[in-house]
Amino acid sequence: RKEVEQDPGPFNVPEGATVAFNCTYSNSASQSFFWYRQDCRKEPKLLMSVYSSGNEDGRFTAQLNRASQYISLLIRDSKLSDSATYLCVVIQQGATNKLIFGTGTLLAVQP
Amino acid sequence: DAGITQSPRYKITETGRQVTLMCHQTWSHSYMFWYRQDLGHGLRLIYYSAAADITDKGEVPDGYVVSRSKTENFPLTLESATRSQTSVYFCASKQGGFTDTQYFGPGTRLTVL
Repeated sequence: RKEVEQDPGPFNVPEGATVAFNCTYSNSASQSFFWYRQDCRKEPKLLMSVYSSGNEDGRFTAQLNRASQYISLLIRDSKLSDSATYLCVVIQQGATNKLIFGTGTLLAVQP
Repeated sequence: DAGITQSPRYKITETGRQVTLMCHQTWSHSYMFWYRQDLGHGLRLIYYSAAADITDKGEVPDGYVVSRSKTENFPLTLESATRSQTSVYFCASKQGGFTDTQYFGPGTRLTVL
């Protein structure tokens, strides 16, 4: 079983739609969680960290459920520019310099 | 401010040849990392370095060698390239604490024939 699992998609949604991605992680000792965004043939960039209490940044909301070992990303009012691959990233306790990446979920926002 | 750069951006080589991928950062970040990205696997850590002259293995180190004689440079060498090392290679850096953001370079697309 992969340490971090994501639905690869693609998620095809119209502009203005709300879309949600989930990610599950297998190691209960995981301590830090992030969402990265990767545009086609570009490098990954940090989108947002994920906190236990949940956090919001504009149209983006991230939530963590430690009991079920999953994190989620909600995008409201999707824009064409949101089209990208969204990577779920986990840091495990005791391995604080090693990011563990999911394979990513591809989002395509249609006009 | 150049940030973090990688060279070459594209490389085609043959099986058995030695290849060195360069990574340079201008932020004086302590930590530097090398990842490879392949379909179906996501990004996987090859090697990382906490400071000059300190390196450690990641998840997939076999077939790769790294060095870090200067803080700003972290070259990755494929001693004898194999077809399975065809991939996109990303270098990254961060300042220090474990919650610090890792910043990625633009990547090197390597093809081994």
